[in-house]
Amino acid sequence: AQRVTQPEKLLSVFKGAPVELKCNYSYSGSPELFWYVQYSRQRLQLLLRHISRESIKGFTADLNKGETSFHLKKPFAQEEDSAMYYCAPHTGGFKTIFGAGTRLFVKA
Amino acid sequence: NAGVMQNPRHLVRRRGQEARLRCSPMKGHSHVYWYRQLPEEGLKFMVYLQKENIIDESGMPKERFSAEFPKEGPSILRIQQVVRGDSAAYFCASSPPNWNTEAFFGQGTRLTVV
Repeated sequence: AQRVTQPEKLLSVFKGAPVELKCNYSYSGSPELFWYVQYSRQRLQLLLRHISRESIKGFTADLNKGETSFHLKKPFAQEEDSAMYYCAPHTGGFKTIFGAGTRLFVKA
Repeated sequence: NAGVMQNPRHLVRRRGQEARLRCSPMKGHSHVYWYRQLPEEGLKFMVYLQKENIIDESGMPKERFSAEFPKEGPSILRIQQVVRGDSAAYFCASSPPNWNTEAFFGQGTRLTVV
């Protein structure tokens, strides 16, 4: 069955500390992987996608096919990074499955 | 391009009433998705539609819930005979017809059943 797991519901770090939001997926085929972010009172929006191999707002995510993981990382967290983060594999059938989400709280 | 528009933003219904949630996709987008977010939970896929077709409704409850995306007009998510457990935020997203593109989300409709 297609599944995506974000094991942490809440992650709390201090400003300036490294942060890693975990995501593991179970999929047949080769999904396209995305991270979406929802800031307070804003709509859900794309943060980054693995195929672009880009860094957005200091965040990066590496696809590890062996471990079927797509963890989101940032070396130095900022207060404005506090938000809800969703890992989202997107299959060729156009269906995007979202993980349960991880709420990141960056403390001053 | 105004983005994905959902209305109403907030909807209050009494138990047993019908709730109709509307979603206008971005211009040029032919794919619409509906998701439900229960309090303190993540997004749960409900249904994926293209114009006049339901492609995947594997996440839709079998009863009381239906969705459509007519040739003209917005996509509608209809919940009949609402119950308290239907209280949630319902999000719509749209994407163009390329399989690896991102989905653009609306602001959501927060349904409260009293």
